[in-house]
Amino acid sequence: LAKTTQPISMDSYEGQEVNITCSHNNIATNDYITWYQQFPSQGPRFIIQGYKTKVTNEVASLFIPADRKSSTLSLPRVSLSDTAVYYCLVGESNTGNQFYFGTGTSLTVIP
Amino acid sequence: ETGVTQTPRHLVMGMTNKKSLKCEQHLGHNAMYWYKQSAKKPLELMFVYSLEERVENNSVPSRFSPECPNSSHLFLHLHTLQPEDSALYLCASSHGLAGPSYEQYFGPGTRLTVT
Repeated sequence: LAKTTQPISMDSYEGQEVNITCSHNNIATNDYITWYQQFPSQGPRFIIQGYKTKVTNEVASLFIPADRKSSTLSLPRVSLSDTAVYYCLVGESNTGNQFYFGTGTSLTVIP
Repeated sequence: ETGVTQTPRHLVMGMTNKKSLKCEQHLGHNAMYWYKQSAKKPLELMFVYSLEERVENNSVPSRFSPECPNSSHLFLHLHTLQPEDSALYLCASSHGLAGPSYEQYFGPGTRLTVT
């Protein structure tokens, strides 16, 4: 079971790029890396997923080094509405595999 | 907001009560999940159903009893709960078999308070 470690909290000013790193030293060969965003009193929302190198979509980029023992979620030009908790999730698709959301990173965007 | 709905949104119950939480997904997904989120704690996976078969139990106390009558509906039956069971209970679904590599769609959650 690949557990994850993230910073507990981060602050950023509006308009800046924010990078949140997740450590997953025990990641297995078949594990994917997935990031979710959660606002207070709401369910998490999928942001991005990757297996290796770099993935980019309309809201974020995900950087994964060759050893895959960590990953970095990059949010370009954050706004106040990006204030949320961001979770890194690591696991594979096999039925019955446990997965672990971790404590998440609470991002606060400052005006 | 999403294709996953949960009812009720808020529930207050005594320790001797029996209640049920309901989750419904309109996305045609094959897997459904129950999570518990306590204050300032990470999401805890409670139960997973894939094609209506339970996959993971994760040592959840027997006072929580899941039921998945079909791939669109998931219930969590509650009885003789403890105050520490007060939390946000989240339901999620995903396409394909259960597992973290599939994008999960979460419902808004049920805020449960046990008095």
